[in-house]
Amino acid sequence: DVKVTQSSRYLVKRTGEKVFLECVQDMDHENMFWYRQDPGLGLRLIYFSYDVKMKEKGDIPEGYSVSREKKERFSLILESASTNQTSMYLCASSFGSGRFYEQYFGPGTRLTVT
Amino acid sequence: QKEVEQDPGPLSVPEGAIVSLNCTYSNSAFQYFMWYRQYSRKGPELLMYTYSSGNKEDGRFTAQVDKSSKYISLFIRDSQPSDSATYLCAMSGELTGGGNKLTFGTGTQLKVEL
Repeated sequence: DVKVTQSSRYLVKRTGEKVFLECVQDMDHENMFWYRQDPGLGLRLIYFSYDVKMKEKGDIPEGYSVSREKKERFSLILESASTNQTSMYLCASSFGSGRFYEQYFGPGTRLTVT
Repeated sequence: QKEVEQDPGPLSVPEGAIVSLNCTYSNSAFQYFMWYRQYSRKGPELLMYTYSSGNKEDGRFTAQVDKSSKYISLFIRDSQPSDSATYLCAMSGELTGGGNKLTFGTGTQLKVEL
């Protein structure tokens, strides 16, 4: 059974703090993704990675960075958290070929920045 | 204009009804068409996928793609309360070597009432 786990379900941080969100997958997937989900805006891609140490910007990368040092782990970093980064953050992984269209999602981290 | 448009709903139907969920898109390069289902407080999970045009059936669910109209549909027959969820359409172009991302609709919230 594929598992994508995220380090926290709920997180409250203060404006200006550096925030780390961790994601781990156990399916040996090549691709990993970070999204944020907001009411009325749907899922928006922040960054994705198709190999270790490789990353590509998604649609809304500003204010975020990522790190992928190991195949199974993909971290999202908010360099200086702001209130407009309050959101649900979802991590996903998929194969690089074959069923690449099937993304497996983690349960999400609800981040509140005060 | 967004690449993928989806009516957010909410859509409320009685148990046993036929449900029709739809998305339109503008990018003619899309070849893979997916429907994801997201239950409350969970990550999305793949429900169905279709490659190029045509229909695909899986139990009570039928996915249709009309590339000439850039329109995709998901039909749910004999809807059940357990079908209550948010349904997201997602699309992708042909597989490339550098990783493939999906473009998601904003999701339609469906409630099936007893």
